[in-house]
Formats: sequence, C-alpha cells, structure tokens
Amino acid sequence: EDKVVQSPLSLVVHEGDTVTLNCSYEVTNFRSLLWYKQEKKAPTFLFMLTSSGIEKKSGRLSSILDKKELFSILNITATQTGDSAVYLCAALLSGTYKYIFGTGTRLKVLA
Amino acid sequence: GAVVSQHPSRVICKSGTSVKIECRSLDFQATTMFWYRQFPKQSLMLMATSNEGSKATYEQGVEKDKFLINHASLTLSTLTVTSAHPEDSSFYICSVLDNYGYTFGSGTRLTVV
Repeated sequence: EDKVVQSPLSLVVHEGDTVTLNCSYEVTNFRSLLWYKQEKKAPTFLFMLTSSGIEKKSGRLSSILDKKELFSILNITATQTGDSAVYLCAALLSGTYKYIFGTGTRLKVLA
Repeated sequence: GAVVSQHPSRVICKSGTSVKIECRSLDFQATTMFWYRQFPKQSLMLMATSNEGSKATYEQGVEKDKFLINHASLTLSTLTVTSAHPEDSSFYICSVLDNYGYTFGSGTRLTVV
C-alpha cells in the first residue's frame, strides 16, 4: 500500500528558531515529491523535488530529496509567526499520476 | 484522519461530454468536502466547498453550471465536469475536513481530447 508519513505531527517553536520537517514515502512508481503550506482551505505550493540530492531554496525555506532512503526534509530557518501553518508533503506517482498526501505537520511559531 | 478514496484516478473523454469524479470518505461522516484543481508546480486552487444536504459554495470565477457538485450523503461527494473542453484538462483533487484537519484524495487526472 502506498503511503506517505510526515513527522512530527505537530511542532511549537519560537520566532527565530530553525525547524526541520520530515516526510518519508513508500510508494510504487515514484515520480516526484511536493511540499505545500496550508493556512486556509487550499494548500500553497512550495517545492517539487524529482532528483535526489539537489537542494531547492526559496527564501528561508529549503528542501531536499533522498530517493535512496525515500525521504525528504523541509527546512525553515529564522522562523516567523507567519510560518505557522500545516505543511503537507505529497508523492506524485508516475503512470497513474496519483497524489499520495501525508497527514501534515502542524507548525506553530510563537512570538 | 479520515480515509479518502477518489475515483477514477485517470480519465480521458471527448470534448463535449461530461465526466463524473467521486470522492468518498470511507471512515468519517464528512459534512464538508472540498474540490481543487491542481496545475503542474502550482498551488491547489480551491474550486468549491461541498456541503452535505445543501448547495455547494463555489469560489469566485468557478462556473457552478459547468462544475456540478453533489454531496448527497455524508460519505460521498461528486464533481461532474459538464460539456468538457480541452482547457478543463487538469488534476482534480478532493479533501475531507475531519476532526484532525484535511485529508486529501489521490486525485483524478482528466484529459479532454
């Protein structure tokens, strides 16, 4: 059975801290891994990772994929209260083009 | 969280025909479900909020007569793309709001030829 597991389920930090969110996957026909930030109803796209070992960066956020160990991490440095959200990862499968979403990590950043 | 099943995972249809996509909440009685469109490398675009037993709430710019949503039971919401055109080709994803948050379906890839 295809599955994506995220950890931790929730996290509370203070402004300025650095956080690392984890996403592991066990899927058949893996194509890509996607990260989203969800603050309201619709998740906002952050990154799409297809190749192993290549870090993608956007401001204080960065992410990397390890296709050998079947996981990805999302790093947020110098966290701000506006980073408070649920962070979702999803595996995109080739062939069927299915998305398998993780349950998300709920991040709360305190002022 | 809830277990969400979306069907079909992939469908190809001819222009002008209608396609129905199902979203089932297998273990949670969902009064609220959401329908999204996903374009490559983009955020999920919320199309509508599906409410059990009442009319769906559509986001601005989404044609309710084209994207028919029916949420007749607590376990099933359907999205029907009517008179499909090639520009409707996309991924459509549903989610269920349960006691823990949002659980997403696996998506439906619609290709209109």
